Amino acid sequence: ETGVTQTPRHLVMGMTNKKSLKCEQHLGHNAMYWYKQSAKKPLELMFVYSLEERVENNSVPSRFSPECPNSSHLFLHLHTLQPEDSALYLCASSQDTYYNSPLHFGNGTRLTVT
Amino acid sequence: KQEVTQIPAALSVPEGENLVLNCSFTDSAIYNLQWFRQDPGKGLTSLLLIQSSQREQTSGRLNASLDKSSGRSTLYIAASQPGDSATYLCAVRQSNYQLIWGAGTKLIIKP
Repeated sequence: ETGVTQTPRHLVMGMTNKKSLKCEQHLGHNAMYWYKQSAKKPLELMFVYSLEERVENNSVPSRFSPECPNSSHLFLHLHTLQPEDSALYLCASSQDTYYNSPLHFGNGTRLTVT
Repeated sequence: KQEVTQIPAALSVPEGENLVLNCSFTDSAIYNLQWFRQDPGKGLTSLLLIQSSQREQTSGRLNASLDKSSGRSTLYIAASQPGDSATYLCAVRQSNYQLIWGAGTKLIIKP
């Protein structure tokens, strides 16, 4: 198994749908992250969880709702999205949130909002 | 506000050449700088991490340097191979969990 697994790999949803992205890490890490990657733009940090507690919400619209039920799983619940929300959503984990902890990324979910 | 710039946005070179990718940042108050590789449709793989007190790090054919005072880092790839084709991103760490990212350099190695 890879260290960080994201499902689904691809998702197409209408603006009125509700869907969820799932991330699972098998590395025993205590911190998990959601990033958004849009074409030609730098990665944007969305949320950070440390020991299942949210420590960062980087001014993300409320139509994105994260959930971290335990240190191995992270979800991103989506509802009433906009076409500009189409992007690659990347999950990452690290041992902790200290600056020396390297990030391990999943392969991402390619989201298209129609 | 920290800004990270990677130039060029895209680079195409013949196989076997040595090449340098550039990363610049505006605020020298960083903990470390990392270089990542991203293959099409995939996540990111960490290549090298340079602490703020270090000047360079090496891994195989890759060598990354850091000049904090001038706000620059370079990633040197020796004897490039088609398998090196990917997008290379640099990111600087300014706080415990906040990485500031460049937009990446898309590298194509022609056989």
